[in-house]
Amino acid sequence: AQSVTQLGSHVSVSEGALVLLRCNYSSSVPPYLFWYVQYPNQGLQLLLKYTTGATLVKGINGFEAEFKKSETSFHLTKPSAHMSDAAEYFCAVSVNAGNNRKLIWGLGTSLAVNP
Amino acid sequence: DGGITQSPKYLFRKEGQNVTLSCEQNLNHDAMYWYRQDPGQGLRLIYYSQIVNDFQKGDIAEGYSVSREKKESFPLTVTSAQKNPTAFYLCASRRQGNTGELFFGEGSRLTVL
Repeated sequence: AQSVTQLGSHVSVSEGALVLLRCNYSSSVPPYLFWYVQYPNQGLQLLLKYTTGATLVKGINGFEAEFKKSETSFHLTKPSAHMSDAAEYFCAVSVNAGNNRKLIWGLGTSLAVNP
Repeated sequence: DGGITQSPKYLFRKEGQNVTLSCEQNLNHDAMYWYRQDPGQGLRLIYYSQIVNDFQKGDIAEGYSVSREKKESFPLTVTSAQKNPTAFYLCASRRQGNTGELFFGEGSRLTVL
């Protein structure tokens, strides 16, 4: 069965430090991969996605992620954290489900940014 | 601007009462979804609908019901049979045939008193 694992339910960084949020997936076929961000009491917003082509994907707010097939990973990074980056981050994999596509979700990583 | 509108944003309910959460989209998307979110448990799928007048149970459908009479609307009813209904509920939509990317509403927080 397909699954998504986000290592670390809570990550804390200092303002200006590198942000690294880890995501590993299991899938028998090349997947489509997503990172979403959720601020408190709000819906989820797409940060970035990998479908085909270049494996380094750039998203909004200075985030990027790299699809590494050999490692089945899609880690999210940002060179310098801002206070406004404090939020919950979700990794998801899109897989075929009959004539539909299904999103498999990780449990999320809560990012805290310290001044 | 196109988007998904959920209402109400906050809702309080007494035990034993049914409550209906509204979800409307003007994105012309075919598929719509309801998720439940609890702390530390990620997103769990309640129901989804790929076309009008058709819907399927997700992973945690017990105690919930939905309808899809119009393409734009996918309301969720939390019934008194749902044992632990206090949660944050998210509605989403998706274009058919795309990568699976979902577009989300702002969510509705239900609290049972």
